[in-house]
Amino acid sequence: EAQVTQNPRYLITVTGKKLTVTCSQNMNHEYMSWYRQDPGLGLRQIYYSMNVEVTDKGDVPEGYKVSRKEKRNFPLILESPSPNQTSLYFCASSPWTGANEKLFFGSGTQLSVL
Amino acid sequence: AQSVAQPEDQVNVAEGNPLTVKCTYSVSGNPYLFWYVQYPNRGLQFLLKYITGDNLVKGSYGFEAEFNKSQTSFHLKKPSALVSDSALYFCAVRATASKLTFGTGTRLQVTL
Repeated sequence: EAQVTQNPRYLITVTGKKLTVTCSQNMNHEYMSWYRQDPGLGLRQIYYSMNVEVTDKGDVPEGYKVSRKEKRNFPLILESPSPNQTSLYFCASSPWTGANEKLFFGSGTQLSVL
Repeated sequence: AQSVAQPEDQVNVAEGNPLTVKCTYSVSGNPYLFWYVQYPNRGLQFLLKYITGDNLVKGSYGFEAEFNKSQTSFHLKKPSALVSDSALYFCAVRATASKLTFGTGTRLQVTL
């Protein structure tokens, strides 16, 4: 089944404790991205990647890191989480051609930073 | 900088009536426009997109959207709403760069 898999679904952590949210897709998509969803603010892009070893900042990259060492994986790293990073996070992937371009989203990760 | 505005936080419509969810955008260059829907407990799903060509785009579940360049709008429409259409709808825009910008979302509530 074609899918984007995020783990974990729920995560509670404390300020300053490094964490990684994993994202993997099995559709051989070139494009992958991370978003956070907050009430009243909609979806905001954190980072995106056009292909392996190519990443770029979205609208809210501060406090986050990403890497794209393999085409299928795009982990989101919070080196020192803070309470303002409490949010619902989504990973997504897409083929990178105009006709086929559409995002496939993971199920989301609800992160709480205490 | 590119931006998307969804001016209505919530749209209420009776089942069977037509619905419109509004979206306006601002980009430099030609826009790529998208609608996504977030159903409760079902994640985010692609509905439709405008890349080029016909201004009227048809998508999943009977939805359609009209691209209006002069008004910089891409409103989502459906001729006859269903209770099952109740969800959170997001408009998104991308210009030639790879960054995708979403609106703040509009909650659609369809009642019997």
